[in-house]
Amino acid sequence: GQNIDQPTEMTATEGAIVQINCTYQTSGFNGLFWYQQHAGEAPTFLSYNVLDGLEEKGRFSSFLSRSKGYSYLLLKELQMKDSASYLCDLSGGYNKLIFGAGTRLAVHP
Amino acid sequence: DVKVTQSSRYLVKRTGEKVFLECVQDMDHENMFWYRQDPGLGLRLIYFSYDVKMKEKGDIPEGYSVSREKKERFSLILESASTNQTSMYLCASSSRAGTGDTDTQYFGPGTRLTVL
Repeated sequence: GQNIDQPTEMTATEGAIVQINCTYQTSGFNGLFWYQQHAGEAPTFLSYNVLDGLEEKGRFSSFLSRSKGYSYLLLKELQMKDSASYLCDLSGGYNKLIFGAGTRLAVHP
Repeated sequence: DVKVTQSSRYLVKRTGEKVFLECVQDMDHENMFWYRQDPGLGLRLIYFSYDVKMKEKGDIPEGYSVSREKKERFSLILESASTNQTSMYLCASSSRAGTGDTDTQYFGPGTRLTVL
């Protein structure tokens, strides 16, 4: 199977750091994506990990450990506009993606 | 910039009606996808297509069919709409499988379908 588990909801304070975890069980995949989705809008690409390790892109970083079946998205210097859902998903053949249910992040002043 | 458009943002249909959802992408992508998104369930893949006239079932194809007559256009068809098909429908496209960011899927704005 390819079950993907993420926390349903998280809250954090503006300016803080938050880590959103994602665990999965799968027999194989090309890479792991993180997407951001604001309410009522389509998902947009944030990051992609193929190899184990940390990928950094400005305030956002994503980490992957294939052996542990684990990934996380790290958001630094949180801003109010970061309030959104964050989707963890696996990429398989034909770029087919398997999505987690998403983590709804609320950033408070 | 990649642009994926969907024919309607909001649609209201009656049970038993035939419904067509159209998706068009302008980046010459080989792969196109249809998802539905429901609260607490995330995005679930209905069908995908990796070439013109090719289609593959996703995780929840029952009650749906698709058509890919042209590379840029991928249509989702509900032959006889039912209330349990009320959902947000998202179309996406990506280039042929490769490495790195070429796997990225680009999403349309979504169609919120209500079946009464």
